[in-house]
Amino acid sequence: GIQVEQSPPDLILQEGANSTLRCNFSDSVNNLQWFHQNPWGQLINLFYIPSGTKQNGRLSATTVATERYSLLYISSSQTTDSGVYFCAVEDPGNTGKLIFGQGTTLQVKP
Amino acid sequence: EPEVTQTPSHQVTQMGQEVILRCVPISNHLYFYWYRQILGQKVEFLVSFYNNEISEKSEIFDDQFSVERPDGSNFTLKIRSTKLEDSAMYFCASKYLTGLEGNTIYFGEGSWLTVV
Repeated sequence: GIQVEQSPPDLILQEGANSTLRCNFSDSVNNLQWFHQNPWGQLINLFYIPSGTKQNGRLSATTVATERYSLLYISSSQTTDSGVYFCAVEDPGNTGKLIFGQGTTLQVKP
Repeated sequence: EPEVTQTPSHQVTQMGQEVILRCVPISNHLYFYWYRQILGQKVEFLVSFYNNEISEKSEIFDDQFSVERPDGSNFTLKIRSTKLEDSAMYFCASKYLTGLEGNTIYFGEGSWLTVV
């Protein structure tokens, strides 16, 4: 099955710093989503981005589908950005299930 | 933004007891899913459901698990005889279509199950 790898596994930043999280996947995909899991365990949709670039405030994401990777950029990080960031890709089968990476745990220190 | 709702948010149950987790997917969605996340691990696919039947299930989804869409709005996950290792966060998700651009999967807030 399709493999999803995220890096780095852990990241510690000072408030105000910028960061880049990476997601590599092993096969062509129709769908890629980035999620933020907050301290209460909720999965918050950040981006639906099978290709191209999108921006939402301090966050932006780029997926290069032909090279099978996606990047999530966080600028001017805040303590509320802390949590786990997951990349998930849609399995090429017909059921639309998402395959998740292991996540990047981000801690932003004040 | 549309919402997937789940109940209960947290349940503690004795080992061997039956548990039912409930979900109300987004109203015009056609595909429904359950995922599981053991504490500190990644989110794992359990089962997908379309057109009133299971369309795919993972190895985790063994005979003690079942899903049902008893009416036009609810989607349930039943665990018949809970084990300690079933302790996890269970997420319900839904989607309108598959395989086409512009179809985001929406997740509920999760039901945290603790088996003691």
